[in-house]
Amino acid sequence: AQSVAQPEDQVNVAEGNPLTVKCTYSVSGNPYLFWYVQYPNRGLQFLLKYITGDNLVKGSYGFEAEFNKSQTSFHLKKPSALVSDSALYFCAVPHWSGGYQKVTFGTGTKLQVIP
Amino acid sequence: DSGVTQTPKHLITATGQRVTLRCSPRSGDLSVYWYQQSLDQGLQFLIQYYNGEERAKGNILERFSAQQFPDLHSELNLSSLELGDSALYFCASSWRGDSSYEQYFGPGTRLTVT
Repeated sequence: AQSVAQPEDQVNVAEGNPLTVKCTYSVSGNPYLFWYVQYPNRGLQFLLKYITGDNLVKGSYGFEAEFNKSQTSFHLKKPSALVSDSALYFCAVPHWSGGYQKVTFGTGTKLQVIP
Repeated sequence: DSGVTQTPKHLITATGQRVTLRCSPRSGDLSVYWYQQSLDQGLQFLIQYYNGEERAKGNILERFSAQQFPDLHSELNLSSLELGDSALYFCASSWRGDSSYEQYFGPGTRLTVT
């Protein structure tokens, strides 16, 4: 089955330090991969996506993600964390299932940036 | 602001009742997706419509149904409500029916079943 896994329920990082939110995928073929962010009491917001090409994808709010085919990972990164980055982060993968194309989201990682 | 609107923001109702959640997609988007978010189940895909037709189905219960109207707004109908249906319900829209396009999420409807 096509899936993504977010191994950490929560990540704590000090303001100004680099942050990494991990995501691994299990997808046959060449995957499309997404990152979304959910701020408290809000809907999800698209951050970035990987389709093909450069393994380093740049997105909104200074975030970037590195696609690593050998490690089947798509980790979200930011060089310097802000308190306002504190939110819930989801990776997601579209895939075919039962004749339809669907999107499966990971379980989410709560990022806490400590002032 | 994503451009996707959902009404109502909050809904409190009793077990056994029926409710309708409404979603208006971003201008120009033809696809609407519905998701359920709960603490124990995470974000679950329910159903997708593209230009008025059902395109994909996820973990949607038989008590739930949806439709997309000619003006592209969508409604999610939840009937015979149970306590476990309490959750945040999001709709999202995208330009095409292909899930390789990013989705834009509404602010959600918080449903509480008592």
